[in-house]
Amino acid sequence: GNSVTQMEGPVTLSEEAFLTINCTYTATGYPSLFWYVQYPGEGLQLLLKATKADDKGSNKGFEATYRKETTSFHLEKGSVQVSDSAVYFCALESGGNTPLVFGKGTRLSVIA
Amino acid sequence: NAGVTQTPKFRVLKTGQSMTLLCAQDMNHEYMYWYRQDPGMGLRLIHYSVGEGTTAKGEVPDGYNVSRLKKQNFLLGLESAAPSQTSVYFCASSGTKGVSPLHFGNGTRLTVT
Repeated sequence: GNSVTQMEGPVTLSEEAFLTINCTYTATGYPSLFWYVQYPGEGLQLLLKATKADDKGSNKGFEATYRKETTSFHLEKGSVQVSDSAVYFCALESGGNTPLVFGKGTRLSVIA
Repeated sequence: NAGVTQTPKFRVLKTGQSMTLLCAQDMNHEYMYWYRQDPGMGLRLIHYSVGEGTTAKGEVPDGYNVSRLKKQNFLLGLESAAPSQTSVYFCASSGTKGVSPLHFGNGTRLTVT
């Protein structure tokens, strides 16, 4: 079946450091891929998405590229801020009415 | 614009008690979902609905029931609460054009003692 694997956290970085959170997937067909972010005390919200191979999703300085050859969708940001501290979830949509499949989440803490 | 609203925000139950969590969305979405979030386990899908009057089981449905009598509401019931159901519960909705993106409520923190 479809699955998403994320790097385990927590990840702790200093402000202005470079961020990578790895995400790989297993799926049949051509899924759409997403990153969701959960700030403390809130529900998840969509951060970015990519719907086909080689697409790059971007938002708020974050980027992720849909790599079909490596079945990956790694999240990157060049310079993190304290306000980026949150839990990040990678997710996959395989089409039809099938619910999204989420990774287990990666907690990021950014210290000043 | 309220989006997805969950009530209550917090609740403490004793083992064996029952309760209903209410989720309401004002975006005319077809799809609605109930998840639970536990440390180290990520999000796990309990039940979902692809339209008014329909429900389907997710990954961890045991001990829960749901109803979608109105398009805007999705109720999650616990008939006999157990300590293993202590968790944070999230409702989400999506789709005028499919299952994504999901719009989440802010969660209900449930403790069963």
